[in-house]
Amino acid sequence: QSALTQPRSVSGSPGQSVTISCSGTNSDVGAYDHVTWYQQRPGKAPKLIIYDVIKRPSGVPDRFSGSKSGNTASLTISGLQAEDEADYSCCSYAGSYTFWVFGGGTKLTVL
Amino acid sequence: EVQLVESGGGLVKPGGSLRVSCAASGFTFTDAWMSWVRQAPGRGLEWVGHIKSKTDGGTTDYAAPVKGRFTISRDDSKNTLYLQMNSLKTEDTAVYYCSTEGLLLVNVFDYWGQGALVTVSS
Repeated sequence: QSALTQPRSVSGSPGQSVTISCSGTNSDVGAYDHVTWYQQRPGKAPKLIIYDVIKRPSGVPDRFSGSKSGNTASLTISGLQAEDEADYSCCSYAGSYTFWVFGGGTKLTVL
Repeated sequence: EVQLVESGGGLVKPGGSLRVSCAASGFTFTDAWMSWVRQAPGRGLEWVGHIKSKTDGGTTDYAAPVKGRFTISRDDSKNTLYLQMNSLKTEDTAVYYCSTEGLLLVNVFDYWGQGALVTVSS
């Protein structure tokens, strides 16, 4: 069982928006603004798409956005494209004893 | 171009040992904090541990499930990261990824290898 809670799956049609939630505690998501999101295609390594809750690395489309409220972080993908179909995992810093916790991953299906 | 290439995965019996390596190139390895992250079949990612750069002390930290059984080390002369796994359990079965930690961006896993599959089974 993962430390952060994500829905197992979400889906949307091309052009629509979807939001993936990531629920933690006041020891991780709620305590630090170091929430990251990773995209992972089958058989491939994870790829960073959001860091520090809301920031996008160079090269990541602005269709991807992040937010946080209390102990829950969210990833929103707008203008869904077929290429967005992948697994999405959240991660949060959790202090200098636990360090890093991940969510269980959410499978996004583009219908 | 940053490249991380894991090797050394395989099948091992419960209670056995295995060492996985990660060869790094395309960046200044000596300056990098390096992490191991694993993913059990059908499960989420799980941080295993990390090793700081020598400049930052070269110390290690581990996740609770592997503390005392796994050891992370580095050979900066060979640009290689290691994960020594002892007293392996079936629940350690996973793909093990090496990753840079905060190489370009603070508090992120910037670059990842393709992973090495470790299967613990009798």
